[in-house]
Amino acid sequence: AQKITQTQPGMFVQEKEAVTLDCTYDTSDQSYGLFWYKQPSSGEMIFLIYQGSYDEQNATEGRYSLNFQKARKSANLVISASQLGDSAMYFCAMRPLTGGGNKLTFGTGTQLKVEL
Amino acid sequence: EAQVTQNPRYLITVTGKKLTVTCSQNMNHEYMSWYRQDPGLGLRQIYYSMNVEVTDKGDVPEGYKVSRKEKRNFPLILESPSPNQTSLYFCASSQPGVLRPSTDTQYFGPGTRLTVL
Repeated sequence: AQKITQTQPGMFVQEKEAVTLDCTYDTSDQSYGLFWYKQPSSGEMIFLIYQGSYDEQNATEGRYSLNFQKARKSANLVISASQLGDSAMYFCAMRPLTGGGNKLTFGTGTQLKVEL
Repeated sequence: EAQVTQNPRYLITVTGKKLTVTCSQNMNHEYMSWYRQDPGLGLRQIYYSMNVEVTDKGDVPEGYKVSRKEKRNFPLILESPSPNQTSLYFCASSQPGVLRPSTDTQYFGPGTRLTVL
């Protein structure tokens, strides 16, 4: 079984500052993928970034980077230079890389509010 | 444009009245899934399908049915809806990768907000 824990129900950050959203996971799978999704108030799910358990380097996508610490089972999302448009709900998710029908297990989410 | 579509986007119904939420993708993806999103619980998988005529239960399948007769469509059926099925529903699709199977990103539909009275 897999479990994702996001311990920050809500976060505030000032515009142009960096923010880290926490994610820890638990799995018995040796090979797995970690994902972050953004859900703005309009409701759609937007894929942000992916990290494979076998990847030695942390993933980066523009202003998003994933701080992957395998021994600690954490996959924190770092957003640099926050913008007002970053205000949204953020979900961490994972799935095994073998079998499972591409099932994603999600955390409960972190609501991020970017302030002026 | 590559997309996953769901219909209807909003639905209010009454207990016991059968309903179907349609999902269609135009990317020729093999994998499709249904999730429900509830406050404080994140998204939970209801059913998934790995190809035509191949479906399996996710974490919360009770009260739902699915079918996959065509690759592009994956309808979600509530035979006798109950108030505890009031939720936001997402359909998603993805294609297993070849070179890097781990990067098969799931594409989500816009969501269907269902209220069962």
